[in-house]
Amino acid sequence: DTGVSQDPRHKITKRGQNVTFRCDPISEHNRLYWYRQTLGQGPEFLTYFQNEAQLEKSRLLSDRFSAERPKGSFSTLEIQRTEQGDSAMYLCASSLEPGQGYSQPQHFGDGTRLSIL
Amino acid sequence: DAKTTQPNSMESNEEEPVHLPCNHSTISGTDYIHWYRQLPSQGPEYVIHGLTSNVNNRMASLAIAEDRKSSTLILHRATLRDAAVYYCILRDYFNFGNEKLTFGTGTRLTIIP
Repeated sequence: DTGVSQDPRHKITKRGQNVTFRCDPISEHNRLYWYRQTLGQGPEFLTYFQNEAQLEKSRLLSDRFSAERPKGSFSTLEIQRTEQGDSAMYLCASSLEPGQGYSQPQHFGDGTRLSIL
Repeated sequence: DAKTTQPNSMESNEEEPVHLPCNHSTISGTDYIHWYRQLPSQGPEYVIHGLTSNVNNRMASLAIAEDRKSSTLILHRATLRDAAVYYCILRDYFNFGNEKLTFGTGTRLTIIP
């Protein structure tokens, strides 16, 4: 399977701990996106990369959150000092670079479900 | 960002066509209409997109109103596997930097065997 892969699928941790998630995009995709989804809601955009450059961050991405894509391939999303409100599904997506006037669909992984005790 | 309005839920019988509506009365001339769906316990999946003309692919058809203020996703023959939340999303492809997908709460489609 050459789709977007996320690891781990589930993470349970105590409040105040740090957690890190990994995303492996489709290999030829230079765009990589992170979203967060809480129960009953649609996904919300967090940030995206083009190759290794982080080009946009949502105001949802507080200073406890940091995302990296060091070699323009896989990406990590770290949450420091986790809080109850961080409990959610964290989704990664990748795409080819869109162009002006044409679309490139985003391909999503199945997410990492984070539960804060 | 222009917003979309979808019914919260719909039901359809298996093997019958399904028409999922989306209203987007504030759509701009450069907004593409995208549809994604999310099956239980999975990430969203791209379905189809269009600008002005109706579009067909192997998954579905997209019918766009002449004034572009509404659109309809058509599943020609629903199967149990089509039970999902369907999201209608507008994306402006002439506005560099607007790369994110803005999801609403979508339409939860239930397929009745």
